[in-house]
Amino acid sequence: KNQVEQSPQSLIILEGKNCTLQCNYTVSPFSNLRWYKQDTGRGPVSLTIMTFSENTKSNGRYTATLDADTKQSSLHITASQLSDSASYICVVSPRGSTLGRLYFGRGTQLTVWP
Amino acid sequence: SQTIHQWPATLVQPVGSPLSLECTVEGTSNPNLYWYRQAAGRGLQLLFYSVGIGQISSEVPQNLSASRPQDRQFILSSKKLLLSDSGFYLCAWSVEGASYEQYFGPGTRLTVT
Repeated sequence: KNQVEQSPQSLIILEGKNCTLQCNYTVSPFSNLRWYKQDTGRGPVSLTIMTFSENTKSNGRYTATLDADTKQSSLHITASQLSDSASYICVVSPRGSTLGRLYFGRGTQLTVWP
Repeated sequence: SQTIHQWPATLVQPVGSPLSLECTVEGTSNPNLYWYRQAAGRGLQLLFYSVGIGQISSEVPQNLSASRPQDRQFILSSKKLLLSDSGFYLCAWSVEGASYEQYFGPGTRLTVT
């Protein structure tokens, strides 16, 4: 059973619009939750990382929120740009992992149209 | 600064042929190293990880193997490729720390025909 579920699977928005991507997880206890951006044919790049005690983290136009009680996270993108077209992956790190073991969601494929 | 290299970038191989993908990391010592596979529409699947030279742990049974002949070199191999081995292969590294941030390489696109 996948312990990290993301929605929607894919999303199309117009340039300049905002959007919110969702992540639900069952990994428990967890150490931190990250959002990665993966351009087509490239490796994922970290956008934000939040520990279980944080509930929001921003990186430019990207804002991630975390509700550890409901085990939900969201990634909000404001004023979208064409370069935001990519897959956004939610990743959870379990607490106590000595190897950096991660649980990956399948990603949300975002397409920004001009 | 640290960098991670993977090669080749793309590879097309016939079924039954051998495979060797290489990953090297610069700018860090004794990293944890990882091989992932990403099939179309699927999440990243951890294949192997290594905490040191010659130390390899396998996550899933398959016809792939990994080796770490040097501290910052990680190799993914197969003696005979299967069609199901097609995918995007990513190498990553991390160092021990509070966040265990993993840094990914550019990936290798493997197509088995």
